[in-house]
Amino acid sequence: TQTVSQSDAHVTVFEGDSVELRCNYSYGGSIYLSWYIQHHGHGLQFLLKYYSGNPVVQGVNGFEAEFSKSDSSFHLRKASVHWSDSAVYFCAVRASSGSWQLIFGSGTQLTVMP
Amino acid sequence: NAGVIQTPRHKVTGKGQEATLWCEPISGHSAVFWYRQTIVQGLEFLTYFRNQAPIDDSGMPKERFSAQMPNQSHSTLKIQSTQPQDSAVYLCASSLVLGGQGTGQLYFGEGSKLTVL
Repeated sequence: TQTVSQSDAHVTVFEGDSVELRCNYSYGGSIYLSWYIQHHGHGLQFLLKYYSGNPVVQGVNGFEAEFSKSDSSFHLRKASVHWSDSAVYFCAVRASSGSWQLIFGSGTQLTVMP
Repeated sequence: NAGVIQTPRHKVTGKGQEATLWCEPISGHSAVFWYRQTIVQGLEFLTYFRNQAPIDDSGMPKERFSAQMPNQSHSTLKIQSTQPQDSAVYLCASSLVLGGQGTGQLYFGEGSKLTVL
């Protein structure tokens, strides 16, 4: 059984600050990991994903994430946030074989203060 | 590219009525997914199709919920005898399939917010 844990329900930072949103997963096999963003009242938008290779992956709008097998983590980072980055961020895991369903974490609400 | 289109965006229905939600995936995407989102439960997988065939419906409530994909350009989620606990945002997503493998990247619609009174 795959599980995804996002330990921080809310994160508040100021514009220009760096931010790290945490994601830990539990799964014994080969997986896809991804991050999505959801602005209020809208659907989810893909940010980035990891399957293999370089553990640091770059996404849209300056986001990057780093995979760590030893920590079972896939944390999302941004060096300098903008007010428009305020949204809910979801981490997701999918097994590389079998069902293609994504299992999502509970989400982290990021609030960027001006 | 218009993205994934979901209709209606909002639907209010009375308890016991039927609700049908529509989804038009991105052209060329042969995998279509349905999710339900609530504050309490978060994002819950319901079902998905590949090349119009149902592949995994493990998240679908066994009674009252059904999903179909009659052609490659649309899918429907039908809820019979709606109950207040069915109130949620229902999200449809599609994905490109390359070499028989899903890309792991889903494109979501804006969602259909269902309110059951």
